[in-house]
Amino acid sequence: GALVYQYPRRTICKSGTSMRMECQAVGFQATSVAWYRQSPQKTFELIALSTVNSAIKYEQNFTQEKFPISHPNLSFSSMTVLNAYLEDRGLYLCGARDPGKDTQYFGPGTRLLVL
Amino acid sequence: GDSVTQTEGLVTLTEGLPVMLNCTYQTIYSNPFLFWYVHYLNESPRLLLKSSTDNKRTEHQGFHATLHKSSSSFHLQKSSAQLSDSALYYCALSDRTGNTRKLIFGLGTTLQVQP
Repeated sequence: GALVYQYPRRTICKSGTSMRMECQAVGFQATSVAWYRQSPQKTFELIALSTVNSAIKYEQNFTQEKFPISHPNLSFSSMTVLNAYLEDRGLYLCGARDPGKDTQYFGPGTRLLVL
Repeated sequence: GDSVTQTEGLVTLTEGLPVMLNCTYQTIYSNPFLFWYVHYLNESPRLLLKSSTDNKRTEHQGFHATLHKSSSSFHLQKSSAQLSDSALYYCALSDRTGNTRKLIFGLGTTLQVQP
């Protein structure tokens, strides 16, 4: 079946440092990958959408300079949180879309804690 | 802008009673997709239901929902709650067109089923 893995599951970083997280789709070819953030007491907020062979589209309030994304093939994507501060803490979800089933599958998330 | 509104906070039910979690939406999309995701602690959010055409009921694992464009609603229902239904439920909205399927989530509703 279709699965999405994320690594690491939990991480702690010092304020001002950077953290890279990975997303792996298994069992299907993900034509697009979406990165979401759930801040404390909030819902999932889209950071950016990445489609293979197309430019990555960032949502308002999120930039490539802060959240650079790599999407080199149909099964893998990574995102880095640069210069992380307290407001960047939360659960970062990766959603990979299987076009054959027109469904977005989510990973379990990477929980980021910033000290 | 586009938004999703769900039954807020915590819904507590006794096992065996019917479940209804409300979801309404606002969108510029003329042909929206509505979704229900179920999220168990430390697991990936999992797709529970996806809307079909207007006024058509969709069912999965005992849950059902009907997209009503006239009232902009996609309420989640189940005839008899089970203890294993205790989880966080998210209603989400996307456009039917294009390949990216950006999801807009509601705040989530926690369902707690008691014996």
